[in-house]
Amino acid sequence: GENVEQHPSTLSVQEGDSAVIKCTYSDSASNYFPWYKQELGKRPQLIIDIRSNVGEKKDQRIAVTLNKTAKHFSLHITETQPEDSAVYFCAASIPSVSSYDKVIFGPGTSLSVIP
Amino acid sequence: GAVVSQHPSWVICKSGTSVKIECRSLDFQATTMFWYRQFPKQSLMLMATSNEGSKATYEQGVEKDKFLINHASLTLSTLTVTSAHPEDSSFYICSARPSGRTDTQYFGPGTRLTVL
Repeated sequence: GENVEQHPSTLSVQEGDSAVIKCTYSDSASNYFPWYKQELGKRPQLIIDIRSNVGEKKDQRIAVTLNKTAKHFSLHITETQPEDSAVYFCAASIPSVSSYDKVIFGPGTSLSVIP
Repeated sequence: GAVVSQHPSWVICKSGTSVKIECRSLDFQATTMFWYRQFPKQSLMLMATSNEGSKATYEQGVEKDKFLINHASLTLSTLTVTSAHPEDSSFYICSARPSGRTDTQYFGPGTRLTVL
């Protein structure tokens, strides 16, 4: 079935260190992998995404890697700052025979950056 | 650009009543909108996908007669929680996909529903 797993569920790092969150997906047809940051009580915000035709994408302190063969993708945050503290969700698209694709979310990682 | 609004932002209702939540794309047309539910400290769970002018597609385990979805225009989708019970208390978030796009979606700010 459709499933996205995410590890770890909680992560604490010292300010300035790197944080890595890993996800796996089950549907080999998935071709779009967004990452969202959600602060308490607020909407998820897209921070980076990657499509299946590339293996890595970087945007300043954030990078994402994708291994389609292994069905793994990861989020890397370098030089972490206290304002990076939030819950991070990975997600994967599930292609449909209809005209739309839906997106399934992983269970989330609560990141705490300690000053 | 790409702003999605939801109304109301929070609502408290009595058990047995119905509640309607609106999701609007303010500066783009959205053929497809999605409705998610999020319980405290949990992930977003997709409830249903609505396409303008057609019936919504519900995820397994979501009762279509309890969660009525109407996507009557390219900028508005509504979710009605019928005969609400305390276990329906949750954070309901919609997202809208710009017409012509196959993956991008923009999220609304969410609606906090509390059923007494």
